[in-house]
Amino acid sequence: NAGVTQTPKFRVLKTGQSMTLLCAQDMNHEYMYWYRQDPGMGLRLIHYSVGEGTTAKGEVPDGYNVSRLKKQNFLLGLESAAPSQTSVYFCASNERDRGYSPLHFGNGTRLTVT
Amino acid sequence: AQSVTQPDIHITVSEGASLELRCNYSYGATPYLFWYVQSPGQGLQLLLKYFSGDTLVQGIKGFEAEFKRSQSSFNLRKPSVHWSDAAEYFCAVGARSGGGADGLTFGKGTHLIIQP
Repeated sequence: NAGVTQTPKFRVLKTGQSMTLLCAQDMNHEYMYWYRQDPGMGLRLIHYSVGEGTTAKGEVPDGYNVSRLKKQNFLLGLESAAPSQTSVYFCASNERDRGYSPLHFGNGTRLTVT
Repeated sequence: AQSVTQPDIHITVSEGASLELRCNYSYGATPYLFWYVQSPGQGLQLLLKYFSGDTLVQGIKGFEAEFKRSQSSFNLRKPSVHWSDAAEYFCAVGARSGGGADGLTFGKGTHLIIQP
């Protein structure tokens, strides 16, 4: 039972390079999210998806793009990395619920942009 | 839009002592409320949640939280902490509308230090 799996776990980029973070969940969850975590800032929502083929902007979407071509996968892309994007990125998912299904989190990707 | 305030950035507690972590929220109605814990290098794990009904909710690892509407608070408590409780704790709110589709709003976290 893997839950939410993020790859890679660590990455170092130079300013201007691009990369894609992959999130995969095996719980058949409808909703998926990308958060970033910075010291003293808590978690802030970057983008989210309410289903396959859909995406929406969260609180801090600038500089990031996402895609959800398959229900189980949610990709986060950085087209031209900047030092301000140095952070720990967390993917999460939950299921459609009449109430509120709690989020399940991956273990994070630590990204450093030099 | 909802918001969450965790007034304490760091808290130090002796092992075996009681613990209370504070959380205040801002929302137009009663939101869904959560507490998550994050151990170093790990993702977030759900401790407990409040949706409706009994305002005192029990969670895993011996934690409980009390929802107080009049104070817009959802404080986390534990009667006796263990060294393994040292971690970062996050309070979060979810809007009643949206059915859980638009994510949670998190507080900035409280770092719990346990001293022997």
